[in-house]
Amino acid sequence: QVQLVESGGGVVQPGRSLRLSCAASGFSFSNFGMHWVRQAPGKGLEWVAVISYDGSNKYYGDSVKGRFTISRDNSKNTVYLQMNSLRAEDTAIYYCAKEHPGISHFDSWGQGTLVTVSS
Amino acid sequence: EIVLTQSPATLSLSPGERATLSCRASQSISRYLAWYQHKPGQAPRLLFYDASNRATGIPARFSGSGSGTDFTLTISSLEPEDFAVYYCQQRNSWPITFGQGTRLEIK
Repeated sequence: QVQLVESGGGVVQPGRSLRLSCAASGFSFSNFGMHWVRQAPGKGLEWVAVISYDGSNKYYGDSVKGRFTISRDNSKNTVYLQMNSLRAEDTAIYYCAKEHPGISHFDSWGQGTLVTVSS
Repeated sequence: EIVLTQSPATLSLSPGERATLSCRASQSISRYLAWYQHKPGQAPRLLFYDASNRATGIPARFSGSGSGTDFTLTISSLEPEDFAVYYCQQRNSWPITFGQGTRLEIK
């Protein structure tokens, strides 16, 4: 079965960087686009970024554009989120999510990793 | 950016009752809408993609409908495990956006 396991979260000071990882298994990783979605405390879901199956296309939400970078390593079945210039408002649970075949709806999600930006 | 507005914000119902949740888009998104169920401490769960296509393992008491700007998620007879937060999400254009959620609570 599909499994997505996020890691790399933690407490970080404002302005610093953090890299999240999402290890995938149970499906042909290199055939699917992958996304990051976050949920701030007490708030709803917010889409963060997407990377196409081969890494050639990437899109970002306006709130993270220019600060976050999504990437993938298909040889390791892993997608990454490099987060720079972190702000307090980036505090959230970060989920990675797999696309439903060919469309940007998310049929599998990880359990999430918590990022706390605080001095 | 396409704004999705969900209503009501909170819905209080009893098991066995019918639930109707609404999602309205700020412009036409054809049928490019998904619904998710989210319980505390769990990963979100896809219910429907492209408005009315039921995801794997979703019970028949759930149904999705709509097109253009108005979409509905209906639960015909609520089970105890259905009480959760429900989100809609559009894929018509970047950036992908979610509605703010409807909390379905036990009355």
